[in-house]
Amino acid sequence: ETGVTQTPRHLVMGMTNKKSLKCEQHLGHNAMYWYKQSAKKPLELMFVYNFKEQTENNSVPSRFSPECPNSSHLFLHLHTLQPEDSALYLCASSQDPLLARSQYFGAGTRLSVL
Amino acid sequence: TQLLEQSPQFLSIQEGENLTVYCNSSSVFSSLQWYRQEPGEGPVLLVTVVTGGEVKKLKRLTFQFGDARKDSSLHITAAQPGDTGLYLCAGTTTDSWGKLQFGAGTQVVVTP
Repeated sequence: ETGVTQTPRHLVMGMTNKKSLKCEQHLGHNAMYWYKQSAKKPLELMFVYNFKEQTENNSVPSRFSPECPNSSHLFLHLHTLQPEDSALYLCASSQDPLLARSQYFGAGTRLSVL
Repeated sequence: TQLLEQSPQFLSIQEGENLTVYCNSSSVFSSLQWYRQEPGEGPVLLVTVVTGGEVKKLKRLTFQFGDARKDSSLHITAAQPGDTGLYLCAGTTTDSWGKLQFGAGTQVVVTP
């Protein structure tokens, strides 16, 4: 148990569906992150939130829409995705937004887009 | 081009053997971390190193940060099947504050 919980663990969706991924951290951290992990590729940083404010959007397509209502919760809203968006989506948190070190990850959501 | 190059990409050894995996870059890192990821799970933080030349030990795992803070290694002594996993290095540079850069990982398989 890392203190970061992601739901759902698995998601299958069609290209016309709308779904949301949820992340909750119980560590009292100030920064939260969304990453995409595809086979044989490094983790790709998608979004960074520091103290609920988005500070990084790493050229992510608009079909991915993040939301951070408070410092403990992070959502990733998905709509009209493409099959190449199938991947493991990981949420992480860290205490210090500037240093970004020592990040704690959730177990991820395995997304399949049909 | 990846900022962090990990080698080898895959390593298969027998229980009891030693192994070393490497993480290299042409950039200087203000800190570097190692994570282990098991199938169906997220990466789990093993160690953070911040000082050039620093060596940290975690039971049978030894982590070293290069003097110039451009590279790191992870050495496992007497590997066990429970050491099986994807080992990831990640770091922050002075021109990427707030962002962790990851290597592609080394897949380690330890067979009984």
